[in-house]
Amino acid sequence: DVKVTQSSRYLVKRTGEKVFLECVQDMDHENMFWYRQDPGLGLRLIYFSYDVKMKEKGDIPEGYSVSREKKERFSLILESASTNQTSMYLCASSSPGGNITYKYGYTFGSGTRLTVV
Amino acid sequence: AQSVTQLDSQVPVFEEAPVELRCNYSSSVSVYLFWYVQYPNQGLQLLLKYLSGSTLVKGINGFEAEFNKSQTSFHLRKPSVHISDTAEYFCAARKTGANNLFFGTGTRLTVIP
Repeated sequence: DVKVTQSSRYLVKRTGEKVFLECVQDMDHENMFWYRQDPGLGLRLIYFSYDVKMKEKGDIPEGYSVSREKKERFSLILESASTNQTSMYLCASSSPGGNITYKYGYTFGSGTRLTVV
Repeated sequence: AQSVTQLDSQVPVFEEAPVELRCNYSSSVSVYLFWYVQYPNQGLQLLLKYLSGSTLVKGINGFEAEFNKSQTSFHLRKPSVHISDTAEYFCAARKTGANNLFFGTGTRLTVIP
């Protein structure tokens, strides 16, 4: 069974800390995505990546960065965590690459609920 | 303007009753439309998708959706719901010219015994 694994289900961090959220997929997918999910706002795209070392900003990239050194791993980095980054973070992947990837849907991880205090 | 609009944030329905979850899309998205379901404490799972062809699309767990171009809608339906259908449902569409999906704000379906 194909999987997208997010390393932590729950995280509590202090304001100002640097936070790493890790996502690994075992499907050899080219594309990976980070969304945050908030009540009443749905899912909003933070960053995505179409290939190793490639990244593109989504709709709400401010305060975040990403890293994709290997095809199977896509990390979301909060440079200096703030309370307004308390949220559920969802990682997803898809294949194939190119401009038709959306046709095949995304595979999502179970999410990381981050609380910044 | 919102690209994908889910008109109801919460829908309570009795077990074995029919349900319709509404989704409308704007001209800023292409007509590649999806419904995802999120069960408690899980990630999202694809229910069904419309890319082209027949406007009535059947998905998993007895759900179906109908693409209506004139009404710019893609409503999700099930003729008889079960307790296990309690979840949050998201409508999504491809952003025109982009290579990623835009999600609606979600509809929480609660099935009442």
